[in-house]
Amino acid sequence: NAGVMQNPRHLVRRRGQEARLRCSPMKGHSHVYWYRQLPEEGLKFMVYLQKENIIDESGMPKERFSAEFPKEGPSILRIQQVVRGDSAAYFCASSPFGGDTQYFGPGTRLTVL
Amino acid sequence: KNEVEQSPQNLTAQEGEFITINCSYSVGISALHWLQQHPGGGIVSLFMLSSGKKKHGRLIATINIQEKHSSLHITASHPRDSAVYICAALSNTGNQFYFGTGTSLTVIP
Repeated sequence: NAGVMQNPRHLVRRRGQEARLRCSPMKGHSHVYWYRQLPEEGLKFMVYLQKENIIDESGMPKERFSAEFPKEGPSILRIQQVVRGDSAAYFCASSPFGGDTQYFGPGTRLTVL
Repeated sequence: KNEVEQSPQNLTAQEGEFITINCSYSVGISALHWLQQHPGGGIVSLFMLSSGKKKHGRLIATINIQEKHSSLHITASHPRDSAVYICAALSNTGNQFYFGTGTSLTVIP
């Protein structure tokens, strides 16, 4: 059973471009969480999704950021018109049920030039 | 004020020493996790606790629900234990984690 997979592992974008981060949860997991770790800072919750539904997006910036978890395929975190302050490590985690142990992916390190 | 506070922020120990990392939280939680993040950045969940104590190898985690406090202990520390240890409180709704800022542990041979 493969673990949580994220791709790409490293992503470089210029200011104003779009960044798409993908997360494939563990097999059998229908709950996905996205977290952001800014340089020299701790992890922060962004959004919690179940298949086709956003359950809690209280940690998402109001503009430029969106997330989805379609019926088929990976969960996508999309950042439009990236700025330097978006440079961070973005981690995804999955769990079989809400409130259960979460398993983390290796993260995507986004660098905005 | 953060919902989850950890101490110490940095810790250096000699190999073999007993290590304690503390975590206090101010929110209602359904469970508390201890996570380990290695220099490469990957995150591993060490424990999930909702009461009492858990032990895995040289690692022990305890939680006191009334006092809203948890501790992570490492016995007979080893250089390979060097990592950042993060306390994460899972909200009552189960929707999100509140994270501590992490404790950076360095174990010197």
